[in-house]
Amino acid sequence: QVQLQESGPGLVRPSETLALTCAVSGYSISRGHYWGWIRQSPGKGLEWIGSIYQSGITYYNPSFKSRVTISVDTSTNQFSLKLSSVTAADTAVYYCTRQSTSPGTYWGQGLLVTVSS
Amino acid sequence: DIVMTQSPLSLPVTPGEPASISCRSSQSLLHSSGYHYLDWYVQKPGQSPQLLIYLGSDRASGVPDRFSGSGSGTDFTLKISRVEADDVGVYYCMQALQTPRITFGQGTRLEIK
Repeated sequence: QVQLQESGPGLVRPSETLALTCAVSGYSISRGHYWGWIRQSPGKGLEWIGSIYQSGITYYNPSFKSRVTISVDTSTNQFSLKLSSVTAADTAVYYCTRQSTSPGTYWGQGLLVTVSS
Repeated sequence: DIVMTQSPLSLPVTPGEPASISCRSSQSLLHSSGYHYLDWYVQKPGQSPQLLIYLGSDRASGVPDRFSGSGSGTDFTLKISRVEADDVGVYYCMQALQTPRITFGQGTRLEIK
């Protein structure tokens, strides 16, 4: 069974870059599926940030414009999120996910990231 | 983007009684494969969302048969035949038709009376 685990700093200063990593176990990223990031904040519910396919092709939510970068490292079976120029509005729980139409999306435990000076 | 709308947003239920949550999409979720790309997730207190139903009506592994999904086109329903105390949480529908560009409903908070 696939398992996902987010890691990274829980506190990021305004205007800096939020950087998170997702370690995947029980399934090789190279086998396929989309690997994505979703966040949850009180004001906006569940919000898709972006995803990457095992080939490296990326898909981003236009709401994040040019602030987001997602990358994959198949040698370590991990993928990463970078979100630049953060503000307090980026405070949220960030989830890494394996997306699939069948059998659906699997989620990591989530990581609370607070943007504050 | 496909907009997902759930109702009700709050659902108090007596244990043993049935419960039903509605989800409507701004466009049909019928894929050329013949399946509807609509998932249901539950987020229990302090946990991440977990898959209940995918492709509109297929139960995920380990999900009790008290849970069922139905619907077609733009209208979908999640039914719990007999609510238990452990079912407390927030239920979300999600369109997977535009995977990976997924979108979610606002969530329905199920509470025990």
